[in-house]
Parts: sequence; structure tokens; C-alpha cells
Amino acid sequence: KAGVTQTPRYLIKTRGQQVTLSCSPISGHRSVSWYQQTPGQGLQFLFEYFSETQRNKGNFPGRFSGRQFSNSRSEMNVSTLELGDSALYLCASSSLAGGLNEQFFGPGTRLTVL
Amino acid sequence: GQQLNQSPQSMFIQEGEDVSMNCTSSSIFNTWLWYKQDPGEGPVLLIALYKAGELTSNGRLTAQFGITRKDSFLNISASIPSDVGIYFCAGYMYSGGGADGLTFGKGTHLIIQP
Repeated sequence: KAGVTQTPRYLIKTRGQQVTLSCSPISGHRSVSWYQQTPGQGLQFLFEYFSETQRNKGNFPGRFSGRQFSNSRSEMNVSTLELGDSALYLCASSSLAGGLNEQFFGPGTRLTVL
Repeated sequence: GQQLNQSPQSMFIQEGEDVSMNCTSSSIFNTWLWYKQDPGEGPVLLIALYKAGELTSNGRLTAQFGITRKDSFLNISASIPSDVGIYFCAGYMYSGGGADGLTFGKGTHLIIQP
């Protein structure tokens, strides 16, 4: 069974631009969660989607948004990019919602904001 | 937000030695997960724990869910060079209508000297 895939793997943007990242979960998994990883803050929860609905949201500004499609694929969007948005963005899939079982991570998208 | 205190921050050990790391929290967690992350990759799930007191092994790795539900430890026996990496503990703390995503520790950087 294929793992979680994320595209693109690397991205360079400038301040003020917006970016869309994509995540395809493990086949059959309906929950997708997004995390931001930085050297200073570590891994932080952004949001979780299950069956096309956002179930939970972490403490991030409204510039960070996401959505999930009927095939469980998910996209994350960051608008008006800031230098501090440079990070590794990870998505994780799970067969159940809300932390009822383990999450499997993709390789991440490395976003650099110049 | 909720934090997990993971220690030690880094470990320098000799090949063949046993390794022990732990995570503690001021709040109760209902699930504990241990991940390993290699540079440029996403975290890989090592062990999942769901019940207080649960002791689970995965090859040379053993992890336990603390009785108080506020801590967990991971042991690696007879370390080998490929064990090098950053190990993260993560947990779900249920609140209200559901979990708020995984909370991660800051990681333990394992370095093995041949």
C-alpha cells in the first residue's frame, strides 16, 4: 500500500505571495492532518480534515487554510506569505478521526519564503 | 498551548549501548506515539500506545504508556548506526468534542559514535 505523498517537495516563494500544498493520504484513510515544523517551534498542529470537514484547528492565523476533497486528498493554502512561514509542512493520514489511532506522515514540503 | 517535555535533548552514545528517553506532560494524554525522523524526511511511526501501563515492543524498541497517563518512555537496546536520528514523542489530549491534533515533544537527537 502506497504511503502518504506530498507535492511539491520543495518550494521557494517571496513575501506576499500565496502557496498551495497538496497531500494524498494512504488509500482508505479519510483523516488528513497538517503540521508545521520549524527549528524553533518544533512540530505544531495546523488542522485536521475528515470526510471533507475541518474537525480541529491549531493556533495559527487565518492566512493558513485548507480543504479536503471527496477522494480524501487535501490541500493547504497559505496567503500573504511571511518570512516566518518558512518551514517543513507535513501532512499525516489516519483511518479514523480525532486521534483514535496512529497517524502516518508524508515526506513533507519544504517551503522557503524569501 | 499544551507541551510535552522530552528528555534528553541529545544523546551521544557508543554503538551497542542501550538508549532511554522519555516524555512528560502536566496533562493527561490518551494516546502516546513515538516517531523517528531522518533529515529531510517526515516522521516515521515506531510505536503506538493506547492504554495506561501498556508496554509495547517493536524489535529492539520498547515503549511504555505511564500509569498516570502523563508520561511515556522509549528504550532502544543494542544501538546500531542506523538508529541515528531525531526521536519524537507525541500524544493526543482529548478535550471537549475531540482531540486537538498531535502534541509533539521537542525531540531527542541520537548520535552514535562507532
